[in-house]
Amino acid sequence: GEDVEQSLFLSVREGDSSVINCTYTDSSSTYLYWYKQEPGAGLQLLTYIFSNMDMKQDQRLTVLLNKKDKHLSLRIADTQTGDSAIYFCAEMMGRGSTLGRLYFGRGTQLTVWP
Amino acid sequence: GAVVSQHPSWVICKSGTSVKIECRSLDFQATTMFWYRQFPKQSLMLMATSNEGSKATYEQGVEKDKFLINHASLTLSTLTVTSAHPEDSSFYICSARPTLFRDRGKVWEQYFGPGTRLTVT
Repeated sequence: GEDVEQSLFLSVREGDSSVINCTYTDSSSTYLYWYKQEPGAGLQLLTYIFSNMDMKQDQRLTVLLNKKDKHLSLRIADTQTGDSAIYFCAEMMGRGSTLGRLYFGRGTQLTVWP
Repeated sequence: GAVVSQHPSWVICKSGTSVKIECRSLDFQATTMFWYRQFPKQSLMLMATSNEGSKATYEQGVEKDKFLINHASLTLSTLTVTSAHPEDSSFYICSARPTLFRDRGKVWEQYFGPGTRLTVT
């Protein structure tokens, strides 16, 4: 299936680390993604990880993948108020002409308090 | 780089009319584009996969005669909502995946447009 689950809300203080968790169900997923959406806007690609990797780091962002448990997490170091947004986890599915289809979780609303 | 635009950004139309939404990849070619809709405070729901020069592949439960998709070039896909009704009011977002043969390093990246807010009265 294509069920992707995320907790809906996370609140942190400015300067702390944020960890957003995601679980997915399809073990054949090849790529897993994190997107950020600000109010009334489209989605901004933050980072993605190939399924044969355990970790990927990109500046303040660290992605951890536990393929056995089908668990993905996004850690944001030194969280800033500008990081407040909805964060979507997505898994890539599809073959042939539908390669690249993304199935999204419901999104985690991250609120950063000053 | 990797910019996707949508036009219009918002539209209000009367029930029964048709509305066309454009999705353009501005600085890369995209053989494949995707159309999603998003309801308030909900996730994105994939509607269809659009491939240049061929018929779109629709997700289960999406009416192909109501949501017409045309992908006539490597940089443009259009979604036409025909005979729109209030329940079609939603945020429609497109995404584009760089063409395999041209941007090999970025083929697994997918870029989203800013979305189109459709309100049917």
